[in-house]
Amino acid sequence: ETGVTQSPTHLIKTRGQQVTLRCSSQSGHNTVSWYQQALGQGPQFIFQYYREEENGRGNFPPRFSGLQFPNYSSELNVNALELDDSALYLCASSSLAGAMNTGELFFGEGSRLTVL
Amino acid sequence: KNQVEQSPQSLIILEGKNCTLQCNYTVSPFSNLRWYKQDTGRGPVSLTIMTFSENTKSNGRYTATLDADTKQSSLHITASQLSDSASYICVVSGGDSNYQLIWGAGTKLIIKP
Repeated sequence: ETGVTQSPTHLIKTRGQQVTLRCSSQSGHNTVSWYQQALGQGPQFIFQYYREEENGRGNFPPRFSGLQFPNYSSELNVNALELDDSALYLCASSSLAGAMNTGELFFGEGSRLTVL
Repeated sequence: KNQVEQSPQSLIILEGKNCTLQCNYTVSPFSNLRWYKQDTGRGPVSLTIMTFSENTKSNGRYTATLDADTKQSSLHITASQLSDSASYICVVSGGDSNYQLIWGAGTKLIIKP
């Protein structure tokens, strides 16, 4: 158990809809990172939030957006869903020192999104 | 270009045998190197995290090595068990001022009885 919880665990949406995924970070951690993992592929970095500010972004379009709350939990929002957005979405929490990713990452079990 | 390459892409071994997975990286600056184990459909779990000055680190039957001069790492699994079947992913922290994480594609390991 990593102490990182994600919800929902599974969901099905149709193309064009919007989805919100949630992540509660481990106690004491100030940073949340989001990853997309397509079937059979490695995780792809979407973005990271450090103390409620975006602290790095991967090669994802603006319809992928996020938030981090004062308690360091986080949301990932995806608008105008496309079929290729079907994937496992992973959240990882960590405790950054000066916004540098030198510390351990603790992953949740993921949210499996299917877009029909 | 900052990259992490793993080999082999996949590996099948018999239960009880040992195996070694490889990771080569071209990441600068370098902060640390991690190995994660990921069961299918689950989140990755950290096995080891090694800094520049560490050559070897063990976690039970898993032993990671790091050669920072040649920019190579290996993960050795001793006396494999069926539960070791998973993807093993090498990740390097570095490459920019925020030391973002650069992920390898993983090695898919299958242990057969």
